[in-house]
Amino acid sequence: DAGVIQSPRHEVTEMGQEVTLRCKPISGHNSLFWYRQTMMRGLELLIYFNNNVPIDDSGMPEDRFSAKMPNASFSTLKIQPSEPRDSAVYFCASSPTVGGSEAFFGQGTRLTVV
Amino acid sequence: GENVEQHPSTLSVQEGDSAVIKCTYSDSASNYFPWYKQELGKRPQLIIDIRSNVGEKKDQRIAVTLNKTAKHFSLHITETQPEDSAVYFCAARGGGADGLTFGKGTHLIIQP
Repeated sequence: DAGVIQSPRHEVTEMGQEVTLRCKPISGHNSLFWYRQTMMRGLELLIYFNNNVPIDDSGMPEDRFSAKMPNASFSTLKIQPSEPRDSAVYFCASSPTVGGSEAFFGQGTRLTVV
Repeated sequence: GENVEQHPSTLSVQEGDSAVIKCTYSDSASNYFPWYKQELGKRPQLIIDIRSNVGEKKDQRIAVTLNKTAKHFSLHITETQPEDSAVYFCAARGGGADGLTFGKGTHLIIQP
């Protein structure tokens, strides 16, 4: 298995533009997590899905952020409109079961909003 | 929700010495405690984990201890080597449909 695959690896966009980050979890994993990493705030859990259903989105910072998981092999995190303070590394991770199991991280998407 | 505190934020040790990183958690229902290592520019990767029915786990130079009563757990690295230099994150996950909550990380520096 290729592991968790994220795209793009790097994204530079102008303030106000829409940004879409993509994630393909490991086949057979039924939990998917989106994290944001910054120097100031560390690794923050934004939202997670279990069997394609959003379970907890309390970490999503604002209504500008939205996430979907239309099927077991694909998820998106969208920011509309983007702002400079959204600049961070966004990680997607997947896990075979919700509790008591390792989360495998993708390579991350480094987002820069100018 | 769960809250995980991690200390210290930076730890510098001489090569060959031991390093200890400590974490506390708030949710007594948490039952899974992994440790991740993140090298510069790379993804976090699991190095060791422990479940709530175990008090200690060891894997070569790395060990983790868990005190459920006090709600704290620690990472111990012995005979540190230059390749141990990285940021280490502790995390906790509760029962049911919970995501991992991470500590803020410890930047471990191994001095030659």
